[in-house]
Amino acid sequence: AQSVTQLDSQVPVFEEAPVELRCNYSSSVSVYLFWYVQYPNQGLQLLLKYLSGSTLVKGINGFEAEFNKSQTSFHLRKPSVHISDTAEYFCAVSTTGDYKLSFGAGTTVTVRA
Amino acid sequence: NAGVTQTPKFRVLKTGQSMTLLCAQDMNHEYMYWYRQDPGMGLRLIHYSVGEGTTAKGEVPDGYNVSRLKKQNFLLGLESAAPSQTSVYFCASSVQGARTEAFFGQGTRLTVV
Repeated sequence: AQSVTQLDSQVPVFEEAPVELRCNYSSSVSVYLFWYVQYPNQGLQLLLKYLSGSTLVKGINGFEAEFNKSQTSFHLRKPSVHISDTAEYFCAVSTTGDYKLSFGAGTTVTVRA
Repeated sequence: NAGVTQTPKFRVLKTGQSMTLLCAQDMNHEYMYWYRQDPGMGLRLIHYSVGEGTTAKGEVPDGYNVSRLKKQNFLLGLESAAPSQTSVYFCASSVQGARTEAFFGQGTRLTVV
């Protein structure tokens, strides 16, 4: 079975500063990796996903993530955040033939002016 | 575009009462899921369905039942609510399992007193 660990529960950051959210996974087989974002009082929406191919994945709203197989990581980055990026971010993993996602505990990003 | 719609959005139940949460999707997706979200625990899968007439248990199925009589609807039932079922419940759907994007509803905030 696969699992996901998000290494930071809370990340405060100033507006226009860079941010990195760390995600590590464990799995004995090939994985598919995702980042979802949840804005206050809303459902989750997909930021980006890695299925195969290039290890650098670009998503919506200027976010990108890098798949590192040797370190079993899928860290999310944004070079310059906005107030509107304040949200909870979830890393998730699935594997070939799996029907469901396994989510990490989430990282709350608070952007301050 | 409605996407995934959950009914109701809020509910307060007394211990021992029963209720049904309704999820409806208009995207003709085969796969549907029920998750619960608790602080610091991310999203945990309760039950899922890979097609009309099918259901399967997820990580935390105890105390819940589900039905998928129509492709577009996925119902989550609580037969005898307990305070431990106080949570935010999310329904999601996807085209083809966990390697495709999951679309989430807005959530149902349930409090059991």
